[in-house]
Amino acid sequence: DGGITQSPKYLFRKEGQNVTLSCEQNLNHDAMYWYRQDPGQGLRLIYYSQIVNDFQKGDIAEGYSVSREKKESFPLTVTSAQKNPTAFYLCASSIPLAPRTQYFGPGTRLTVL
Amino acid sequence: SQQGEEDPQALSIQEGENATMNCSYKTSINNLQWYRQNSGRGLVHLILIRSNEREKHSGRLRVTLDTSKKSSSLLITASRAADTASYFCATVASGSRLTFGEGTQLTVNP
Repeated sequence: DGGITQSPKYLFRKEGQNVTLSCEQNLNHDAMYWYRQDPGQGLRLIYYSQIVNDFQKGDIAEGYSVSREKKESFPLTVTSAQKNPTAFYLCASSIPLAPRTQYFGPGTRLTVL
Repeated sequence: SQQGEEDPQALSIQEGENATMNCSYKTSINNLQWYRQNSGRGLVHLILIRSNEREKHSGRLRVTLDTSKKSSSLLITASRAADTASYFCATVASGSRLTFGEGTQLTVNP
């Protein structure tokens, strides 16, 4: 099956710990994205990558880091510098050209204890 | 800041009724897309309308776009309980990003 997967579905972290969220796609898409969603709100862009070994900051990149070493993978690290990391995190992918329709993974819910 | 703003924030209707959601945006766009999100899940793309189109249909969905007013509407006809979800508009301007609105929470009561 073609698609985009995220793991784990639920993640718990103690304050002060870094944690890495996984995102993998087999859609052969060049572009990948990470969003944060808080309860009852829309999506805010954290980072995006249009090609391997390149990525750009989105609107709320502070306290997060990413890497893009492989086309299929775009992991997100939530660092201890992120002051309010409890949220629902969504990964998406698309072709890098218009219309940029995005395909989403099922999300990871991160809770800081 | 979010480009798209949906209206209303929440909508509750009975099965069989039509549901209309509106989206306004601020800058010129290449296209506008609507997505659906079931509670606790990822978003699913529903329909796309390009800036040179005025209306588009897909099954029970009808989308309109008025670029002079910078607004779009999504109409779901003959709604079903399974249509209960959050609906988001997303705009594509120049560049590589989609910009999402805050969403409309639709509840369809059986």
